Amino acid sequence: DAGVIQSPRHEVTEMGQEVTLRCKPISGHNSLFWYRQTMMRGLELLIYFNNNVPIDDSGMPEDRFSAKMPNASFSTLKIQPSEPRDSAVYFCASSLRRAPSHEQYFGPGTRLTVT
Amino acid sequence: AQSVTQLDSQVPVFEEAPVELRCNYSSSVSVYLFWYVQYPNQGLQLLLKYLSGSTLVESINGFEAEFNKSQTSFHLRKPSVHISDTAEYFCAVSPTSYDKVIFGPGTSLSVIP
Repeated sequence: DAGVIQSPRHEVTEMGQEVTLRCKPISGHNSLFWYRQTMMRGLELLIYFNNNVPIDDSGMPEDRFSAKMPNASFSTLKIQPSEPRDSAVYFCASSLRRAPSHEQYFGPGTRLTVT
Repeated sequence: AQSVTQLDSQVPVFEEAPVELRCNYSSSVSVYLFWYVQYPNQGLQLLLKYLSGSTLVESINGFEAEFNKSQTSFHLRKPSVHISDTAEYFCAVSPTSYDKVIFGPGTSLSVIP
């Protein structure tokens, strides 16, 4: 399997622009997670889907952030409008929601820079 | 709710020396425990996990961790580190009934030649 795929790997944009990050989970996995990693705040869970349905979006910072999962093989995280404080590495992870293991498989991340 | 504490943000250690990375957690329900490793410019990878059974778990590259329920700890150890072990290490917990994973703040391990 190719693992979790994220695109783009790097994104540089100007403040006020719309940014869309993409994720393809591992085939067969039914849970998907979006994380943000910064030096100041570490690794933060933004939103969590199970069977394409958002289960917990309490980590989404504000209304400028939105996430969708239209099908089991694709998810997007959108920031509109973007701000310099959104600069971070955004990770997507997937897992198979089945006991006994909850281990997550992470993508390589998207490094977002907002100038 | 669950929380994870990693008291050491940075751990420098000489090559071939032993190392211990500390992890304590808080939870009112049963949890699974994990250590993830993040190499520079990469995503997190599972290093080892405790689900049940033997409290001592091992990874393929020489790390081990021991679950201590009474002390709510899951410390990571390696008897002899290599330069290639330089990375960020995250302790994590997940309620057994819910697959959301709570990550600690991470410990940066730097192996000095």
